[in-house]
Amino acid sequence: QVQLAESGGAVVQPGRSLRLSCAATGFSLTSYAIHWVRQTPGNGLEWVAVVSDDGNKRYYSNSVKGRFSISRDNSNNTLFLQMNSLKVEDTALYFCARGRVDLWHGFDYWGLGTLVTVSS
Amino acid sequence: EIGLTQSPGTLSLSPGERATLSCRASQGISTDYLAWYQQKPGQAPRLLIFGASSRATGIPDRFTGSGSGTDFALTINRLEPEDFAVYYCQHLATFGGGTKVEIK
Repeated sequence: QVQLAESGGAVVQPGRSLRLSCAATGFSLTSYAIHWVRQTPGNGLEWVAVVSDDGNKRYYSNSVKGRFSISRDNSNNTLFLQMNSLKVEDTALYFCARGRVDLWHGFDYWGLGTLVTVSS
Repeated sequence: EIGLTQSPGTLSLSPGERATLSCRASQGISTDYLAWYQQKPGQAPRLLIFGASSRATGIPDRFTGSGSGTDFALTINRLEPEDFAVYYCQHLATFGGGTKVEIK
């Protein structure tokens, strides 16, 4: 069945880098857009980034643009979120989620999330 | 950027009652891109409604999405114990602040 599993979360100091992974099973990443969404403890959801099914379109929120980047390993059906120049305000639970149809018609499958803590 | 305002922040109801949650956009939006999610503590969000009014796979018919333009609603008829959760609306890259439906 369709599953997404995030990993790579850790405690890191401000200014450092971290790479998150999102492993997909039950479907091919080349057939669906995949989003990253984060949630701060006790707070709401914030969209972070997306890569289209064909990999040709990548979009980022203003809060992470220029610092975060998405890449993909199609052979292993795994997506990555490279996070550079981390800030305290990047502390959150990071989810990857599948676009149901195209980019923005709802996110139908989500992973359980991986926790990133940025602290000195 | 279009903002989404959800109200009320918290809704206190009893099982069996009807819940009506509001999501207001700062300007008119397409219904194509309006979705609703349910999130329970320690869980990922779950897609309930897409396209403003279409139920996602496996979602019970007590959940109904409606609205157009700037005003959208999620109605939950006959609240079940498992429906007490936080609900978010979403349009493109923007999520609303959420409405918590709690047991009265």
